[in-house]
Amino acid sequence: GAVVSQHPSWVICKSGTSVKIECRSLDFQATTMFWYRQFPKQSLMLMATSNEGSKATYEQGVEKDKFLINHASLTLSTLTVTSAHPEDSSFYICSARDPGTGNTEAFFGQGTRLTVV
Amino acid sequence: EDQVTQSPEALRLQEGESSSLNCSYTVSGLRGLFWYRQDPGKGPEFLFTLYSAGEEKEKERLKATLTKKESFLHITAPKPEDSATYLCAAQGVGTDKLIFGTGTRLQVFP
Repeated sequence: GAVVSQHPSWVICKSGTSVKIECRSLDFQATTMFWYRQFPKQSLMLMATSNEGSKATYEQGVEKDKFLINHASLTLSTLTVTSAHPEDSSFYICSARDPGTGNTEAFFGQGTRLTVV
Repeated sequence: EDQVTQSPEALRLQEGESSSLNCSYTVSGLRGLFWYRQDPGKGPEFLFTLYSAGEEKEKERLKATLTKKESFLHITAPKPEDSATYLCAAQGVGTDKLIFGTGTRLQVFP
């Protein structure tokens, strides 16, 4: 299957600072990527859809000024958590589909564990 | 409202004890039903896609089936390495979004 790489796998930051998470499609070009958030023992909650060359589409209740998404190329999307606070601590996961195969399955990155202290 | 519900929430099996996980879905026109495996601290790993009722797919000890209202993930003679959380997700027609269930945490004991 297609490979999606996410970096870093974990990060600890101080309250009030910003953190950037990268999501790369390694062997295909992804016009659309997705960002999810997952709390312990809960399912994945879609935060936003990242579109290459245009603004991201955020889900209801997700602050777009806090969670900045940039999709500047067909292989890279970034999520920046601005002015992070302890309640932003969570597991963030990105995913992408390979449009070239015609398949609909989404492939996921390894996830990023964010801890805000 | 589109919704995906998985049961049971947790399942403990003895090695070799076969069982099934359930995924009930309500979406406006199913485009695809997906099964993923997620290990602790990792992103979901793709297992299967099912597109229409009656479809079945197999991979090693796993078999996924689909009806018009639900999907089952059958695990035959599981091994401890099958222990993980199994996630089900549905995609409706006209959308790129996946709606995830809350998952079934499977533990297989030797």
